[in-house]
Formats: sequence, structure tokens, C-alpha cells
Amino acid sequence: DVKVTQSSRYLVKRTGEKVFLECVQDMDHENMFWYRQDPGLGLRLIYFSYDVKMKEKGDIPEGYSVSREKKERFSLILESASTNQTSMYLCASSYLGTFIISNQPQHFGDGTRLSIL
Amino acid sequence: SQQGEEDPQALSIQEGENATMNCSYKTSINNLQWYRQNSGRGLVHLILIRSNEREKHSGRLRVTLDTSKKSSSLLITASRAADTASYFCATEYKAAGNKLTFGGGTRVLVKP
Repeated sequence: DVKVTQSSRYLVKRTGEKVFLECVQDMDHENMFWYRQDPGLGLRLIYFSYDVKMKEKGDIPEGYSVSREKKERFSLILESASTNQTSMYLCASSYLGTFIISNQPQHFGDGTRLSIL
Repeated sequence: SQQGEEDPQALSIQEGENATMNCSYKTSINNLQWYRQNSGRGLVHLILIRSNEREKHSGRLRVTLDTSKKSSSLLITASRAADTASYFCATEYKAAGNKLTFGGGTRVLVKP
């Protein structure tokens, strides 16, 4: 079974801190994704990566950056945390398919519930 | 913006009954996927249906896709208390480059 592991289930940080959320997958997937999930807003894509050192902005990249130095690891960075970044963060991975069509399911970690005080 | 919209937002049924939820989307897709999320957990993939398919089954799950109406439905037959969860549809729209757009979800409560 595919395993996507997020480093923390719960995290509490202070406004202005630099926050790192880590995600590791064990299935040699090319694609990795970071979402945030908020009540009433569903899942929104922050960033995704289809290869090592490659990244693309999603729908809400402001205030975030990412790093993918190794294929299995995708990190989300909050450069200067703010209270409006309090949310559930979900990491996912999938096979690439082609760049035009994936037709692949995404596999999710259990999420990190991040609170910014 | 959300491409898929689920209906209803919430559903409460008795164990043994069937649960049906619907998803509508706005533009042409490569595929549509359904996911389940238990409270406080990540999403679990249930079924992927491609744009040239009309119906797929997996155990007690049945998914239909009507591309002319830009809609899909998920049917859970003979529901169990363990089916209590939120269900999301997600669309891979054409030229998305492997990205999915998720709807807001349907919260399903199955009462024993």
C-alpha cells in the first residue's frame, strides 16, 4: 500500500515564525501536492511538484513556498506564519501519467492541523 | 475556484439504506474521482471514472458520469455505520497537468 507520511498531526506556532511541514511518500511517485482544507472552502491546492526541484503554483500560493530536493520528500514552508494560515494541511502524491492527462488517483497523508497563535 | 460542487451538503440515513450524492462540474474533464474522508484524517481514493466511461462499480459503490450534463453521482448501497464520513468529488479538467479540483464535499451520517 502507498504510504504518505506527514511529519506532524498537530502543530502550534506563533505569528511571524518560519514553519516547515514535511511530507514523505514511499511509492516513487513523480507528483506531490500540498493542499489546505478549511470549513466551507473544501481543499485548495497550494503548490505541486512533478519532479525533483520542479514546482508549480496552485490556486493559493501566497505566503507559502515549497522544496523538493529528493523525489520522496516535499516540504511546505510558511515564510512568516500568520493567523489566517491556521488550517488543516494535506499532502498527496500520485504517478505522473502524461503532462496532459494523468488519470491517476492521489494518495493522501493524514494531514497536519496547524494553529498559528 | 471550486469546479466540482456536491449536493447535498449533508445526508443522514439509517444503516441499511442507500446513500446518493451528486457532483456537478463546469468544464471538460479527463476524469472524475471520488474520495472519502473520515473525521480528522486524510482523503482516501474510492473510484476514478474516465470521461469516456459512464458507470463504474467497486463493492457497494456505484459511480455514474454524464458528460452531457457535466454531472456525476456516487451511490453507496446497504450503508453501514462505518460509511459515516465526508465524500468529495474531484475533477481532473483537460490540460490540468495532473491537478485535481475538489468540491466542498457531502457529509454522510449513517445511524445504527
